[in-house]
Amino acid sequence: EVQLVESGGGLVKPGGSLRLSCAASGFTFRSYSMNWVRQAPGKGLEWVSSISSSSRYIYYADSLKGRFTISRDNPKNSLSLQMNSLRAEDTAVYYCARLEEVGASDYWGQGTLVTVSS
Amino acid sequence: DIQMTQSPSSLSASVGDRVTITCRASQTISNYLNWYQQKPGKAPNLLIYAASSLQSGVPSRFSGSGSGTDFTLTISSLQPEDFATYYCQQSYTTPRTFGQGTKVEIK
Repeated sequence: EVQLVESGGGLVKPGGSLRLSCAASGFTFRSYSMNWVRQAPGKGLEWVSSISSSSRYIYYADSLKGRFTISRDNPKNSLSLQMNSLRAEDTAVYYCARLEEVGASDYWGQGTLVTVSS
Repeated sequence: DIQMTQSPSSLSASVGDRVTITCRASQTISNYLNWYQQKPGKAPNLLIYAASSLQSGVPSRFSGSGSGTDFTLTISSLQPEDFATYYCQQSYTTPRTFGQGTKVEIK
């Protein structure tokens, strides 16, 4: 059974940093691209970043302006999102999701809440 | 960036109704269009990928069509468990933009 479990969310002050992790199991992690998607309270879905299976191709939403860094550790079946210079508008539930061949996210984690507030 | 526009933003329907949601891309995306269902407090669930391919385990009352810039999601006979918010997403290029969502409510 495919499982994705996010962790690392919490309350952080504006300007602070947080590192999210996503533990993957039930599939060959090193064979799949992965992505992060977020959802602000009461709002729609927003794609954040994606990373190819070998980490060769990495993409970010323009709005992040270099503040976020996606990475993966294939031997550890783990995906990460390092978030720096956090702003109130980064407050959201962050989901990690597996990408299938045509770019759809076919499996999702339960999400982890990040709250940026003083 | 490619803009994805869904319509309507919300709709009210009864159990057994046929429901259609449309999604329009601001430029051609071939068939790189995916549909998700999300219920309150839950992660999204993939329904349709590549515009018309039904994801494994998804009931056959869900179907998708379209190519280029115009796409539709159809629920042939609405069931109680289908009341949720539906999102389209293009996977043609990055950023992989989502539509704003369509909330399907009970009439």
